[in-house]
Amino acid sequence: GAVVSQHPSRVICKSGTSVKIECRSLDFQATTMFWYRQFPKQSLMLMATSNEGSKATYEQGVEKDKFLINHASLTLSTLTVTSAHPEDSSFYICSAMTGDQPQHFGDGTRLSIL
Amino acid sequence: QKEVEQNSGPLSVPEGAIASLNCTYSDRGSQSFFWYRQYSGKSPELIMSIYSNGDKEDGRFTAQLNKASQYVSLLIRDSQPSDSATYLCAVNSAGNMLTFGGGTRLMVKP
Repeated sequence: GAVVSQHPSRVICKSGTSVKIECRSLDFQATTMFWYRQFPKQSLMLMATSNEGSKATYEQGVEKDKFLINHASLTLSTLTVTSAHPEDSSFYICSAMTGDQPQHFGDGTRLSIL
Repeated sequence: QKEVEQNSGPLSVPEGAIASLNCTYSDRGSQSFFWYRQYSGKSPELIMSIYSNGDKEDGRFTAQLNKASQYVSLLIRDSQPSDSATYLCAVNSAGNMLTFGGGTRLMVKP
């Protein structure tokens, strides 16, 4: 149980491209989804918290107009990196939870901007 | 600011030994504590959760929580080379958000 699917797993694209990442909870309804970013040899950094049907809550320093989050249903959240640049290259990971259960993570998306 | 501290390591143990991973946290109001394992290039995988003082055992893993000392640990018995990974301590703060420690890199040598 508690399977979270994230797609795509790897993206390589040119600077200025917008990239959309999907996060799905496959066998449970996620009341809350989270988006993290992890740079090499660093720990996870929370970017935003997303609740179904409401606006995402962004952490300090994360540009909401650059990282668009949509949580359209209890099983799907998307993160769109708009006009991505090389400094946005990172490992993006989503997690999902329901009730007071632990967060379960997707497999992550490695984004490389050339 | 809520903090979760871990020794970055690497912690090197021989195969078959007990690996002891430690974590301290600053928020006395924290209620839920988790250990995640992260292999290089992969996302974190939940291996243990603990909510009350004392020990919780699951197979070769034992989580220990001491809220008075704001300390949580993970013991791995009979360590295997496949246990080599970074272990992340996570603490549940307000709004079900997790605050992660920086992780401890464990190396189990055959």
